[in-house]
Amino acid sequence: DGGITQSPKYLFRKEGQNVTLSCEQNLNHDAMYWYRQDPGQGLRLIYYSQIVNDFQKGDIAEGYSVSREKKESFPLTVTSAQKNPTAFYLCASSIRQGAVTEAFFGQGTRLTVV
Amino acid sequence: AQSVTQPDIHITVSEGASLELRCNYSYGATPYLFWYVQSPGQGLQLLLKYFSGDTLVQGIKGFEAEFKRSQSSFNLRKPSVHWSDAAEYFCAVGPYNTDKLIFGTGTRLQVFP
Repeated sequence: DGGITQSPKYLFRKEGQNVTLSCEQNLNHDAMYWYRQDPGQGLRLIYYSQIVNDFQKGDIAEGYSVSREKKESFPLTVTSAQKNPTAFYLCASSIRQGAVTEAFFGQGTRLTVV
Repeated sequence: AQSVTQPDIHITVSEGASLELRCNYSYGATPYLFWYVQSPGQGLQLLLKYFSGDTLVQGIKGFEAEFKRSQSSFNLRKPSVHWSDAAEYFCAVGPYNTDKLIFGTGTRLQVFP
């Protein structure tokens, strides 16, 4: 089945540690995204990538890093510089239908700092 | 700047009642509009989308939405709500020819039996 796979579903991190969230898609989509979701704040864009080996900062990129070495993969690293990393993280990919983007989402990773 | 407003943070309805979730957008040109649904602890699923043409669009699970340019709105409706519709609903706008979606803050729907 085609889709977006995020792993792990739950992740615990000690303060001061870096942690990497995995996102893989087999939809052959060019664009991929990372969003952070906090209660009452909707989805905020962290990073996005429109093609391999290229990515752009979103609205809240500080304390995060990404790579896009393969079309299928877009891992997100939450660094120790991120002051409040506990949140639900969603990965998405998109395809253009004409000039419009329709996004497909993974099931999310819940990160908790302990 | 483009933005999406969902004025209702939380809505409660009885099962079988009708539903309308509000969405207003701010965008200077023709918007491309989406509604997504999210069950607790899950990702987002696309309910429906508006690109052009008929302003009343049908989606999955019996949902529909109407685009009203004069009111800058794209409200989501369902004639009879089922308990399984309890979830969070997000409206989003996709500015023309970009790969970025702008999301509203969501409306949480609670359904009572």
